[in-house]
Amino acid sequence: TQLLEQSPQFLSIQEGENLTVYCNSSSVFSSLQWYRQEPGEGPVLLVTVVTGGEVKKLKRLTFQFGDARKDSSLHITAAQPGDTGLYLCAGSNTGNQFYFGTGTSLTVIP
Amino acid sequence: EPEVTQTPSHQVTQMGQEVILRCVPISNHLYFYWYRQILGQKVEFLVSFYNNEISEKSEIFDDQFSVERPDGSNFTLKIRSTKLEDSAMYFCASSFRGVKNSPLHFGNGTRLTVT
Repeated sequence: TQLLEQSPQFLSIQEGENLTVYCNSSSVFSSLQWYRQEPGEGPVLLVTVVTGGEVKKLKRLTFQFGDARKDSSLHITAAQPGDTGLYLCAGSNTGNQFYFGTGTSLTVIP
Repeated sequence: EPEVTQTPSHQVTQMGQEVILRCVPISNHLYFYWYRQILGQKVEFLVSFYNNEISEKSEIFDDQFSVERPDGSNFTLKIRSTKLEDSAMYFCASSFRGVKNSPLHFGNGTRLTVT
């Protein structure tokens, strides 16, 4: 089982602040995905990164895949209450499964 | 937008009973998965299914678990004799081309409570 550690585990910030969530592993992944999960729902895909050093932007969210493809970060600019949720990274190396990270629970206070 | 649907949304069962969790994947998807999430813990892979057979399974997916695609639309997870520790959210997911080449689409899950 590949271990993907996310930090921080919990994050509570004021609306308008910036934040970064980290996803780290000792394993190399061929691709990595970020999901957001809201209570009572399944994870919803935000982005897939496949190339070391790749940066992708999705409105106020910026995703980066580490050069060595072992880690990733998610940066949110000017957080809004609608960003509240559980953020999950998931990596795939060989085979046909994703290993999910430990999750970061984000609360944005209006 | 097409979505993965799961039924029931909540299932309560007694220890030792059999349960079947049902999923309807997105219609043109070829790869199907079951994941589970114990309350407060991370999402864990159970099994992947392609071309009418299991392609991968985790250590969690022991002899008590089985999957089936009984017809062209449903994908089921059966737990033969439930244990208390099987209590979790069970998520079905599907993808068009497998995890390396296309994203997973998740259903909203079935909350299984074993008493």
